[in-house]
This record gives sequence, C-alpha cells and structure tokens, in this order.
Amino acid sequence: GAVVSQHPSWVICKSGTSVKIECRSLDFQATTMFWYRQFPKQSLMLMATSNEGSKATYEQGVEKDKFLINHASLTLSTLTVTSAHPEDSSFYICSAREGRGTQYFGPGTRLTVL
Amino acid sequence: GNSVTQMEGPVTLSEEAFLTINCTYTATGYPSLFWYVQYPGEGLQLLLKATKADDKGSNKGFEATYRKETTSFHLEKGSVQVSDSAVYFCALILMNRDDKIIFGKGTRLHILP
Repeated sequence: GAVVSQHPSWVICKSGTSVKIECRSLDFQATTMFWYRQFPKQSLMLMATSNEGSKATYEQGVEKDKFLINHASLTLSTLTVTSAHPEDSSFYICSAREGRGTQYFGPGTRLTVL
Repeated sequence: GNSVTQMEGPVTLSEEAFLTINCTYTATGYPSLFWYVQYPGEGLQLLLKATKADDKGSNKGFEATYRKETTSFHLEKGSVQVSDSAVYFCALILMNRDDKIIFGKGTRLHILP
C-alpha cells in the first residue's frame, strides 16, 4: 500500500525555537496533504489542508502564523511550529492522498517543548 | 452536523475473546466509512473501509458492515490477540463535500494474554 513518512519521529526543543516537521509520500503523488494534532488519549484534530502549489486552508482556531504549512511539491509538505511553547507539545500526524483517493497517514511526530 | 460516535474505552478482553466495538454516525450526505487503528507511539493505519450500504470491509480478521438503516459500522473480530491491543478510530468521509475525515474519539483496546 501507499507509504507516508514523517521526519523526525520525535523532537525536543527549547521554548521559543522553531521546529520543522516533514511529511513525504513515498510511492504516490500527494495532491492533498493534511496535518493533524493529537492530544494524549484523544482523537485527531484536523489543523489544516494543503494542496500542492497553493496556500493551506486552516481550520477554525488554528493560528496560521504559528503553524506554517508548505506544500511545495507533490511528495513533500512541511509543518513549521514557530516560536514553540510547552502548550504546543503534542503528537503531530500528517496524511496524504492522490486525487480523491484514500488518505494514508504518516507515523506521527512527537514534539516536546521544554 | 456530521459526527461519529463510538463506544468509550478502555475495553479489556482476554486473548481469543470475541470483540465488538460499536460505532454509529450522523451524516447529511452519503458517507464512506472507515476503521483506523493506532498502535502505541505510531500514526494511524487504515484497517478497513466500506463505501456503500451493506458493504462489508474486512482485514486481519476484523470485519465491519455498513448498515444504513441503523447508521452503524460496528467493528468485530472473532478471536482477538494480544497484538490487537491498540486504539481504534471509526471515521467517515463525505465524498461530495470537502473530503475531510471526521473521526470518532477512539476506543482503546487491551488484550490480556
């Protein structure tokens, strides 16, 4: 099946720094990528949807200046958490799909902000 | 609005027991239904799906049938294993809208040896 990778799988950073998370589709062209956030023992919360070559569409309540999303190619999307603070600590999961096909999820990135 | 409701966990069973995780949905359109599984420390994996009424999705011994009349998509497995311990998410997509996945809150499953 289709494979989506994320890098890094975990990251620890100091408060005030920025962190970039990559999401790649390895064997298909991801025309659309999604970024989710998951709090402990809770469901996934959609943060934003990005289509290749265009600006991301953010869900209500998600700060676009805080969570910068770039989808510059058909196989790569990045999420940058700017000026991270402890409350940004979470599990971030991306998913990708080709056209209207099935969404395939990445393994997630655990961010811990000290 | 559109939503997914699934039974709260955690669900604890002994190995080889029969599993049912209930899932019901509310949708203004005609959704496709999914079960995803999340193993500890990992992302979500698609377990099975069904795209129209009376379809049965199956994978790894798990089954779920799309029941339009009861708006349900219950997950079942006849004999669970310790390796099935994970969190299971029921979800829907309305393909005629913006294709966003709507997830249930997840059900944590513990299988005891």
